[in-house]
Amino acid sequence: AQSVTQLDSHVSVSEGTPVLLRCNYSSSYSPSLFWYVQHPNKGLQLLLKYTSAATLVKGINGFEAEFKKSETSFHLTKPSAHMSDAAEYFCVVSGNAGNMLTFGGGTRLMVKP
Amino acid sequence: GAVVSQHPSRVICKSGTSVKIECRSLDFQATTMFWYRQFPKQSLMLMATSNEGSKATYEQGVEKDKFLINHASLTLSTLTVTSAHPEDSSFYICSALLAGVYTDTQYFGPGTRLTVL
Repeated sequence: AQSVTQLDSHVSVSEGTPVLLRCNYSSSYSPSLFWYVQHPNKGLQLLLKYTSAATLVKGINGFEAEFKKSETSFHLTKPSAHMSDAAEYFCVVSGNAGNMLTFGGGTRLMVKP
Repeated sequence: GAVVSQHPSRVICKSGTSVKIECRSLDFQATTMFWYRQFPKQSLMLMATSNEGSKATYEQGVEKDKFLINHASLTLSTLTVTSAHPEDSSFYICSALLAGVYTDTQYFGPGTRLTVL
């Protein structure tokens, strides 16, 4: 069994300040972890994925995430927020049971000018 | 690369009619595609797994006779909502599975907004 918890349902930052979106997971297997972003009325876009090749993963648009097995975390960060980063972010785990995804509840990122 | 399209992007239909939604992987072949439903301000709910050349696998609670899935080719899966009712109004999102070296990755379509009057 696997589960994902996104610790904050809403995060608000000012433009130009750092972004931290928190994600904890549990899995009986060695997981693959993903972050997806969803803008309003759009599909999900893959930001980055962890596949055991490297614990620090760099993604698109300046985002990165670090896999910490001891903390069972996969937090998403960005050094400087941009207005266009305002969206819903989903942390997702894919386990050993085929390619089924387990989604976190989502975090809505708001960026203030 | 890894682009998935959906058509239509939004559709409005009358209660009792059927609606077909197409999901295409544009630059890769996908033996497996997935159909999700998303309610406002909620995460995605997996409805079914679509396998090319075989029957779809439906999640518990999803009526297979109501949500017909056909995966006729390696780049196309269709979801038909039969005899639609207002409670079927929702945002439907598909994904296509791309095999990778370390892991397979789902790439999502832009979604289809269905409104049943």
